[in-house]
This record gives sequence, C-alpha cells and structure tokens, in this order.
Amino acid sequence: DSGVTQTPKHLITATGQRVTLRCSPRSGDLSVYWYQQSLDQGLQFLIQYYNGEERAKGNILERFSAQQFPDLHSELNLSSLELGDSALYFCASSVESGNYGYTFGSGTRLTVV
Amino acid sequence: GESVGLHLPTLSVQEGDNSIINCAYSNSASDYFIWYKQESGKGPQFIIDIRSNMDKRQGQRVTVLLNKTVKHLSLQIAATQPGDSAVYFCAARSARQLTFGSGTQLTVLP
Repeated sequence: DSGVTQTPKHLITATGQRVTLRCSPRSGDLSVYWYQQSLDQGLQFLIQYYNGEERAKGNILERFSAQQFPDLHSELNLSSLELGDSALYFCASSVESGNYGYTFGSGTRLTVV
Repeated sequence: GESVGLHLPTLSVQEGDNSIINCAYSNSASDYFIWYKQESGKGPQFIIDIRSNMDKRQGQRVTVLLNKTVKHLSLQIAATQPGDSAVYFCAARSARQLTFGSGTQLTVLP
C-alpha cells in the first residue's frame, strides 16, 4: 500500500456519460497530480494541485476537470466520455509542489463502451 | 516542450545477469530525472532519481547514469531477479513538469 488511495479501482460506463474519480493523497502530502495511461503509452500528465490550488496543467481535455478539496483529497471529473478516454488514470502525491518524489496510487481503470 | 523515449519497448534477460534500460530525452534544460517501475496492476513505483549536476547515482542493485552531452539516461539493474520483471519508465523534468517515456517491459528469464 503506497498510501495514495484511488477509488473506484474499475469503472465501466457508456459514451456520453460523466464520471468522477477520487484520490486521497498520502498523509502529509500537499500536492496531487493526475496522469492518464493509455494502452501501450506512457504516462500523460493531466493536472496538478497544490494545497487546493491548481498549480500546473498538462494535456488535459476541456471535457475533463479536477479540483482539490480542503481535506486535500482530489477528484477528476470526466464528461462527455468517448471510447478513446478508456485508460488507466493515476493519481500521485508529493509533499511539496516541485518535489518530484511522487507516490502513485494503484489507479482507476476506466472503460468506455 | 520535452519528449522522452525509451530505446527498446521490450527487454529479456537471464536471471542473474545485469540489465540495462536506456532512455533519451530532448530538452537540454531538463534538470531532474527519475526511473519508475510499474508492476502489472499497480501504480508506478519510484526507483531512483538523479539531478542534472550529477552523472551517476547508485542505489541498492540499481545505478542510474546520465550523459547530458547526448541527452541520454540509463538504468542498470545488477543481478536481475524474477521480481524485477515489470515495465520501467524514465521521466524528465523541465519547466516544473515531469514527462514520462513510454516504458520498457523487462522480462526476466529463468
């Protein structure tokens, strides 16, 4: 157990739907990062939050959004889902923004049918 | 921006041999590099990191070498064990963002 908790572990939904992925960072970590991992691809950075504020944005689609709450957990919202959104979504956390000793969660596998 | 690529998508080694996984990055301004290991069904796990002011760093059975001249990074695993079978990713930081390579699948043969 890495200390980063992601729920749900698996999610199957239909095209056009909206889903919410949840991440609880490791205790004491203020930064949360979201990554997408498609089949045979590396980890694509989506977005980072630090202590409730958006800190950096990567290749995140406009259909996707995220937030970090006062208790530091984060949610990634994916809407108007397409087949190509099927992927593993990972959350990682670290103590400080810019501290890249990330700890990853075990991911949420999203399947869009 | 940064792009990171691994030289081989797959690598097979005999148990007990040394493994070398290579990675190339594009941005000469990258200042920090990390190797991660990802086992099936799990999230990436930090193995070792190196800053751009170093050219070598050693951990337990692992060594990372950095050649900034040719923008090349390698991970060496000594005495490879079955538990080392996994996908290995390198990542490079520039402009405060980490860019990951696509991964090398390491298979350890008995």
